[in-house]
Formats: sequence, structure tokens, C-alpha cells
Amino acid sequence: EPEVTQTPSHQVTQMGQEVILRCVPISNHLYFYWYRQILGQKVEFLVSFYNNEISEKSEIFDDQFSVERPDGSNFTLKIRSTKLEDSAMYFCASGRTALNYGYTFGSGTRLTVV
Amino acid sequence: DQQVKQNSPSLSVQEGRISILNCDYTNSMFDYFLWYKKYPAEGPTFLISISSIKDKNEDGRFTVFLNKSAKHLSLHIVPSQPGDSAVYFCAGAGTSYGKLTFGQGTILTVHP
Repeated sequence: EPEVTQTPSHQVTQMGQEVILRCVPISNHLYFYWYRQILGQKVEFLVSFYNNEISEKSEIFDDQFSVERPDGSNFTLKIRSTKLEDSAMYFCASGRTALNYGYTFGSGTRLTVV
Repeated sequence: DQQVKQNSPSLSVQEGRISILNCDYTNSMFDYFLWYKKYPAEGPTFLISISSIKDKNEDGRFTVFLNKSAKHLSLHIVPSQPGDSAVYFCAGAGTSYGKLTFGQGTILTVHP
């Protein structure tokens, strides 16, 4: 069964450093998403991406965050200057159509900011 | 943001019996509801969805019921199996590009 692949599985970074979280969505999918889950809290929407542009973003997704699909296969989330409160599991997801809401999540990247 | 609430943090069920997981929502703009299952160290796995124009959807052992007037949905698992032990999330989706609003999750434990 096709999978969404995320790397790395765990990233530790110093506060103020930039991090890039990487995702390879399922190849024939058109919609791409980032979600995060802070320990003990809900899974929260960050951003959706379609047709090479952001289609929606949450209040969390401020100027410190950016997304890119640099080469038609990878989908990246960049955090420019990490804060302690950015520590969370970050999940990438992809879907074939906007109406097919059962889209596929990756296994996540655990980001720890120290 | 309490648009989707799962009021039971945990549920324990005997193998072979029915598991009923509940979810309440406040956002009338949701037009799709979904259930996801999550094991530790894995991402959420899609289980089943239901459109707001329906009141029931069934897929094998899993059935989702939607009561729009009560803004309530439930997931029934029959019969429950030990492998069903996981965290279950309900989520609502509006008319945007598939943005999901999740509940807090319910930990289901199925005892052999």
C-alpha cells in the first residue's frame, strides 16, 4: 500500500535554529498538508498546499513557517527560528482530491527544541 | 478551540463485545466527519467517514452514526478485537481543502 514518508523520524535542535522537515507524499496525490501534535494535546492543522501554493493556513502558521514542494516529489516544512514551544510531532499528509477526506498521514517527525 | 470534543478519554471493552466511541461538535459548517485510529509512534490511519447528508455509514466491523440535530457522532466497532486497541480520533471537515479539526482522542483498550 502506498505510504507517506517523513524524514527524519526525530530531530533535536537548538532554540533559534532553522529546521526543515521533509515529506514524500503519495505520488498521484494532489493535496498536501502539515499537522502537528504537541504532547498531550490535539492534532492541529497547520497548512494545506495545492497546485504549488498554500490553500489554507492556521493561526499557528506564522511568518516563521514556510512550505515548499521543491522538485515535484518532496514536500517540506521549514521553521526559520525554532522556539521551545515548537516541540511537537509533525505529521505530513496527502490526499488525491479535496473531497476524499480520508487522506494518508505519515508516521511523523518528533521535533525537540532545546 | 473546542469545535470537536471527545468527552471520554478512555474506554475499556472485552474482546467480542461492541465498542462505542462518541464525539460531539459545535461547527455547523462541517460537511464531512471522519474517524482515525492511531498507534504509538505512527501517524493517524483513516478508518471511516460520513457525509453530513447521511446518518449512517458502514464498513466491515466499523459503523459511524451521525445525529445532526444533536451534533453528535459515534463509531461502533463490532466485534471488538485486541488489535483495535489504539487512540481513536474523530474529526470534522468543512468546505475548504480538506482541513480537519480533530477531537482530543479516546484511548480504546480491548481485553482478550
